[in-house]
Amino acid sequence: EVQLLESGGGLVQPGGSLRLSCITSGFTFKNSAMSWVRQAPGKGLEWVSSISGSSGNIFNADSAKGRFTISRDNLKNTLYLQMNSLRAEDTAIYYCVNGGGNDFAAHWGQGTLVTVSS
Amino acid sequence: DIVMTQSPDSLAVSLGERATINCKSSQSVLYSANNKNYLAWFQQKQGQPPRLLVYWASTRESGVPDRFSGSGSGTDFTLTISSLQAEDVAAYYCQQYYSTSWTFGQGTKVEIK
Repeated sequence: EVQLLESGGGLVQPGGSLRLSCITSGFTFKNSAMSWVRQAPGKGLEWVSSISGSSGNIFNADSAKGRFTISRDNLKNTLYLQMNSLRAEDTAIYYCVNGGGNDFAAHWGQGTLVTVSS
Repeated sequence: DIVMTQSPDSLAVSLGERATINCKSSQSVLYSANNKNYLAWFQQKQGQPPRLLVYWASTRESGVPDRFSGSGSGTDFTLTISSLQAEDVAAYYCQQYYSTSWTFGQGTKVEIK
């Protein structure tokens, strides 16, 4: 069974930083593209960033460029999202997703809530 | 970016009746080299993460009831629930993965009439 478990969310002040983690199991992580997708309260789904299995290809939404960095540790089967210079509009549930690039989003974690507020 | 537009934004359907959700992309998501449409559908129930229902526009994910079906090609797609059940109350999203910059439709909320 595929499992994706996010952590690292919380309350942070505008301009602050957070690092999200996603521990995975149940599939061959190193061969899988992975992504982060977020959902602001009461809103729809917004893709944030994707990374290939080897980390050789990284894609970012315009909203993430220059502020967010996606990375992975294939030895630990873990995906990360480093978020800097956070803004109120980054407030959302952040989902870890198995898939990315031209691979569909097969599995989703339960999400971790990030709240940016003073 | 490819813009995905769903219609309607919401619909109310009686139990056992058909529900139809449309999704239109601003450019074709059909890749001619393999004749595949890079289009997926997701279901999201209140307080839960999205769940993959359909990929390649018409391939039902394992475990998804056969009352759910996807169709369409190029820029126009449809998700049909042939006989609405109470457990189908949810928001539904289409998404393209033709571009590495994924984009989603705005969502369609399905309720019981």
